[in-house]
Amino acid sequence: SQTIHQWPATLVQPVGSPLSLECTVEGTSNPNLYWYRQAAGRGLQLLFYSVGIGQISSEVPQNLSASRPQDRQFILSSKKLLLSDSGFYLCAWSLNRGYGTDTQYFGPGTRLTVL
Amino acid sequence: QQQVKQSPQSLIVQKGGISIINCAYENTAFDYFPWYQQFPGKGPALLIAIRPDVSEKKEGRFTISFNKSAKQFSLHIMDSQPGDSATYFCAASAGNNRKLIWGLGTSLAVNP
Repeated sequence: SQTIHQWPATLVQPVGSPLSLECTVEGTSNPNLYWYRQAAGRGLQLLFYSVGIGQISSEVPQNLSASRPQDRQFILSSKKLLLSDSGFYLCAWSLNRGYGTDTQYFGPGTRLTVL
Repeated sequence: QQQVKQSPQSLIVQKGGISIINCAYENTAFDYFPWYQQFPGKGPALLIAIRPDVSEKKEGRFTISFNKSAKQFSLHIMDSQPGDSATYFCAASAGNNRKLIWGLGTSLAVNP
C-alpha cells in the first residue's frame, strides 16, 4: 500500500529565515506530486505540482520554490520567510497514468508558524 | 475566479439528521467530482467521488447526487453523527491536467 510522509509536523520560524519541508511517498513509482497551503479556516491553495523528476509547475508566484530531486521526494523551500507564509502545508500524490490520476492522497501536513 | 462554488460555509445538524452540502461549477469539461473530509490538524481524505456518467453514488451513509444539466453536485450525509464533524471540500477536475479545482469548504458540526 502507498504511504505519504511529511516532516516536520510542526515548525516555528522567524521572519527572514529559510525553509525546507520534505515529502516522500512510498509504495508507488513516478507519482504526480503536489504542494498545497491551507490558511487557518480556509480552503486549499495549490502551490506547485510535479509530473516527474525535475518537472515543477508553479501555480502562485511567491517567495516559495519546489524541487523534486528524486522520483518520490518533493521539497518545498524558501530563502526568506514572510509572516504571510504561515499556514498548514500539505503534500499530496496521485497516480500519473490510467484511471484515477485525478484522485489525490494527502499527507499529514506541516503546521508552519512564522513569527 | 472561483470555478467551484461550495455552500454553505458552515452547517450545524442534530445527531441523526441529514447534512447536505452543495457545489456548483462552470466548466463543462469537468469529469471527476470528489468530496474530501478533513479533521482539524489532519490532511484531507477522499470520502467519495463521482463521474458524470451516473447521477448518484452511495457509500454507506454518504451519497453524492450529480445534476449535469444544472452543473451541480451535492453531498448528503444520512444519520449524521458527532464523529462526522469536520470540514468537507468538494472539488472537480478535467482531462489530463491532473489538477483539482477546490471549493472553499464547509465546516460541519453535528450536535449530540
